[in-house]
Amino acid sequence: GENVEQHPSTLSVQEGDSAVIKCTYSDSASNYFPWYKQELGKGPQLIIDIRSNVGEKKDQRIAVTLNKTAKHFSLHITETQPEDSAVYFCAARGDGNQFYFGTGTSLTVIP
Amino acid sequence: DSGVTQTPKHLITATGQRVTLRCSPRSGDLSVYWYQQSLDQGLQFLIQYYNGEERAKGNILERFSAQQFPDLHSELNLSSLELGDSALYFCASSAEGSPKETQYFGPGTRLLVL
Repeated sequence: GENVEQHPSTLSVQEGDSAVIKCTYSDSASNYFPWYKQELGKGPQLIIDIRSNVGEKKDQRIAVTLNKTAKHFSLHITETQPEDSAVYFCAARGDGNQFYFGTGTSLTVIP
Repeated sequence: DSGVTQTPKHLITATGQRVTLRCSPRSGDLSVYWYQQSLDQGLQFLIQYYNGEERAKGNILERFSAQQFPDLHSELNLSSLELGDSALYFCASSAEGSPKETQYFGPGTRLLVL
């Protein structure tokens, strides 16, 4: 099956700075890579996703890049704000329709 | 609001007991997934149903079972509960069969086994 690794596990940035979270996957057949934001006491919420036929996708302050050859993908948040503080999960769609999640990154944006 | 609903929000029970968690997917979604989230294990995929049929199985214990009903809501049954079953249980849904593969998560059920 698929194996997704995520780094770092915790990340603190100053408000206005950028944050980068990286994930690697093992199954070259994986073709869909969503990112989720989970706030305290809530379920994960999809914030951006990318499919394997695209190298980069951007939505306002959030962007995701995918390197299929190296089997890694990254989440970039620019101009961070305190409300960006949350746990972020990457995921990869592996065999069938199973999703495999990274272990999460706890992001703290310091005002 | 993702459109996925889960009940109950919180559940406190004792070891050895059985509980049922309920999930209603987003309107039009045919697939339902169940996940367990604990502090030490992260998000673990348990099982997936598509249009009433089991589609994929993950790390689901034999003490746990699930089903999806004709109206597409799903229930996760947890029996002979142990302290280690205390966790957040999430349901997610997707419109499998269409080009969209996005999963939408419900707010979760927090289970505490005492």
